[in-house]
Amino acid sequence: KNEVEQSPQNLTAQEGEFITINCSYSVGISALHWLQQHPGGGIVSLFMLSSGKKKHGRLIATINIQEKHSSLHITASHPRDSAVYICAVRSYNAGNMLTFGGGTRLMVKP
Amino acid sequence: DADVTQTPRNRITKTGKRIMLECSQTKGHDRMYWYRQDPGLGLRLIYYSFDVKDINKGEISDGYSVSRQAQAKFSLSLESAIPNQTALYFCATSDGGADTQYFGPGTRLTVL
Repeated sequence: KNEVEQSPQNLTAQEGEFITINCSYSVGISALHWLQQHPGGGIVSLFMLSSGKKKHGRLIATINIQEKHSSLHITASHPRDSAVYICAVRSYNAGNMLTFGGGTRLMVKP
Repeated sequence: DADVTQTPRNRITKTGKRIMLECSQTKGHDRMYWYRQDPGLGLRLIYYSFDVKDINKGEISDGYSVSRQAQAKFSLSLESAIPNQTALYFCATSDGGADTQYFGPGTRLTVL
């Protein structure tokens, strides 16, 4: 079983819909990251969380440490949000290196 | 100009050839990383370096070697490429005191 699991693997939405992407992990962590990989391949960091909730524009990330679960929400989705969203954890048993989930491929249709 | 650059962006090579992928950064970060990405799998760490004199193996270092020529440069070599090394390769950097990693644009490598 992978240490970091994301669901769903693929998601298609209509423009304007509220989107939720989930990330579950099985190890003790010091931080969790959400990243976005554009269709051209480039990867950018969206959020780093160790507790609670963070918001940036239409993106909201939450984490529940006790349940070992994080969600990334996109409000009022737009076709330009189409990308792969990647969850990564900084875990104590990986020498404090990042362990990545397999990603969620999101397509937002106009 | 991009803060983290990778060359080449695309490369097709044959089994047995030696290949070098290069990464340069202008962010002034001490820490640099090489990852590979395969379809459906998460990014996996190949090697990382916390400074010029520090090189560490990652999760999947077999078949790869690295060189940290300067703070700004970190190269990944495939000594004798094989088809299952076909993947997208990313370089990343981070500041020692912070957690965010900054990724290069990626190198798509195909080994025939």
